[in-house]
Amino acid sequence: NAGVTQTPKFQVLKTGQSMTLQCAQDMNHEYMSWYRQDPGMGLRLIHYSVGAGITDQGEVPNGYNVSRSTTEDFPLRLLSAAPSQTSVYFCASSWGVADTQYFGPGTRLTVL
Amino acid sequence: GESVGLHLPTLSVQEGDNSIINCAYSNSASDYFIWYKQESGKGPQFIIDIRSNMDKRQGQRVTVLLNKTVKHLSLQIAATQPGDSAVYFCAENLSGGTSYGKLTFGQGTILTVHP
Repeated sequence: NAGVTQTPKFQVLKTGQSMTLQCAQDMNHEYMSWYRQDPGMGLRLIHYSVGAGITDQGEVPNGYNVSRSTTEDFPLRLLSAAPSQTSVYFCASSWGVADTQYFGPGTRLTVL
Repeated sequence: GESVGLHLPTLSVQEGDNSIINCAYSNSASDYFIWYKQESGKGPQFIIDIRSNMDKRQGQRVTVLLNKTVKHLSLQIAATQPGDSAVYFCAENLSGGTSYGKLTFGQGTILTVHP
């Protein structure tokens, strides 16, 4: 199993551009989530999904959209990038919401 | 509990010593707790977890202690090795109610192990 994979590893955007961060898992996990990690801080939950077709907001959802059309994929869309969205983004998955979450390697995003 | 800032708590130990990393969690209703290890440039890696119906759980070289009275969690690492150097995060989860599915992370502690 590849586990949780994320692409791209690095990305630089200009303010106002849009892009999609990809996340996929091959463990047949129902629960997937997106976090952002800023320097000196823990991870903050952006959006999560408890199964295909179901998504909900986390702690910091503004400026981000998600969809879950399949069990395997959970893309995160930045609608109009802002410098405040410069961060490292992690995707995670687990069997259920109260189970251990496994993280991908992260995407480092810089917005100029 | 969590504090906002750029300076993480740090712990420096000698190789072979035991390490204790502490975490104060915020929600008294949280019922599932996890410790993660994050090495530079990588995603968080699961170490050990504990549910609120327990106060101690042991793994390989690691022990997690939970004190629900004071909302405190600790991670003990025995015979710390240089490979244990990383940032350690505690996380709390509430498996029911309006916080369903929302894992909340602490700020993290930097552990440095000197050979």
